[in-house]
Amino acid sequence: TQLLEQSPQFLSIQEGENLTVYCNSSSVFSSLQWYRQEPGEGPVLLVTVVTGGEVKKLKRLTFQFGDARKDSSLHITAAQPGDTGLYLCAGPDNYGQNFVFGPGTRLSVLP
Amino acid sequence: DAGITQSPRYKITETGRQVTLMCHQTWSHSYMFWYRQDLGHGLRLIYYSAAADITDKGEVPDGYVVSRSKTENFPLTLESATRSQTSVYFCASLGGTTEAFFGQGTRLTVV
Repeated sequence: TQLLEQSPQFLSIQEGENLTVYCNSSSVFSSLQWYRQEPGEGPVLLVTVVTGGEVKKLKRLTFQFGDARKDSSLHITAAQPGDTGLYLCAGPDNYGQNFVFGPGTRLSVLP
Repeated sequence: DAGITQSPRYKITETGRQVTLMCHQTWSHSYMFWYRQDLGHGLRLIYYSAAADITDKGEVPDGYVVSRSKTENFPLTLESATRSQTSVYFCASLGGTTEAFFGQGTRLTVV
């Protein structure tokens, strides 16, 4: 069974600080996705990383896929209150028909 | 409007009652999913469907029934609701091979 672990589980920081959250597995994934979920809403896709070692930037967010395609990280520079939410990583299972989700990192950015 | 919509957004039902959660998507995506989201468990797959009239069990299917007579609709039925089924339910569809689009969720309370 493919599992995704995320750390930290909770993170509370001040506006302007930098942070990194992690997504790890003992299994290889063909791709990994990062979603952000705001209270009362469904998850929304932020990015998909496909190639081992790939780095993608989305404004102040930087996503990296590990060389072995077993892990990924999300780095936020100069966090803002609007970054508050639950960050989920996910990847397709071995059959490519379902997504395995990590438990999420709940981020709170205080003004 | 294009997208994926769930109804109702909120539902309170009594133990033992049958309740159906609706999901409708406008993209004609082949794959659709039902997840439940609970604190401490993250998103767990209940059922998924690869196409009309093709459904399969996910991680936590007990007590749920699905059908998919049309590509755009994927209702989830709780045959005899139990308190352990109190949760937030998300429907999703798969665009391409890696991007899941989620509905806004249905918050179900079983009393």
